[in-house]
Amino acid sequence: EAQVTQNPRYLITVTGKKLTVTCSQNMNHEYMSWYRQDPGLGLRQIYYSMNVEVTDKGDVPEGYKVSRKEKRNFPLILESPSPNQTSLYFCASSYGQLSTEAFFGQGTRLTVV
Amino acid sequence: AQKITQTQPGMFVQEKEAVTLDCTYDTSDPSYGLFWYKQPSSGEMIFLIYQGSYDQQNATEGRYSLNFQKARKSANLVISASQLGDSAMYFCAMREWDSGYSTLTFGKGTMLLVSP
Repeated sequence: EAQVTQNPRYLITVTGKKLTVTCSQNMNHEYMSWYRQDPGLGLRQIYYSMNVEVTDKGDVPEGYKVSRKEKRNFPLILESPSPNQTSLYFCASSYGQLSTEAFFGQGTRLTVV
Repeated sequence: AQKITQTQPGMFVQEKEAVTLDCTYDTSDPSYGLFWYKQPSSGEMIFLIYQGSYDQQNATEGRYSLNFQKARKSANLVISASQLGDSAMYFCAMREWDSGYSTLTFGKGTMLLVSP
């Protein structure tokens, strides 16, 4: 089954404790991206990657890092999480940046206390 | 300026009726795509329908259709014969092909509630 898998689905952590949210897709997609969703703001792009070893900032990259060492994986790293990073996070992938569809993961609800 | 505007925070509709969710967009790129996604209470994002800027006809997918009015820069989603399962948050989004990088820009969403 074609899918984008995020882990964990739910995470509560403390301020300053490094964490990684994993994202994996099994569709051989080139393009992957991370979004955060906050009430009243819709989804905003954090980082994206057009292929292996190619990543770039989206609209709200501060406080986040990503890596793309393999085509299928695109982890999101919070080196020192803060309460304002409490949010619902989505990973998405598509065949290319010109693709007419993006497949989303199930979402990760992160709470930083 | 907002690139995607959804002016309806919430909409109510009765089962079996049609409903239109509004979306206007702002771009100077001649090539772009417009998307609608559904987010039920469980949280996942479900792709519904896509319209390309050069598409001559309005996109349709089952009960979903996109009323694309290019001159007005609007891309309204029409759901015919609403069902209880259509109750969800709906997001309009745009991808611009000619910009230096590609971002799927989302509106703030419209919450649709379908009543029996």
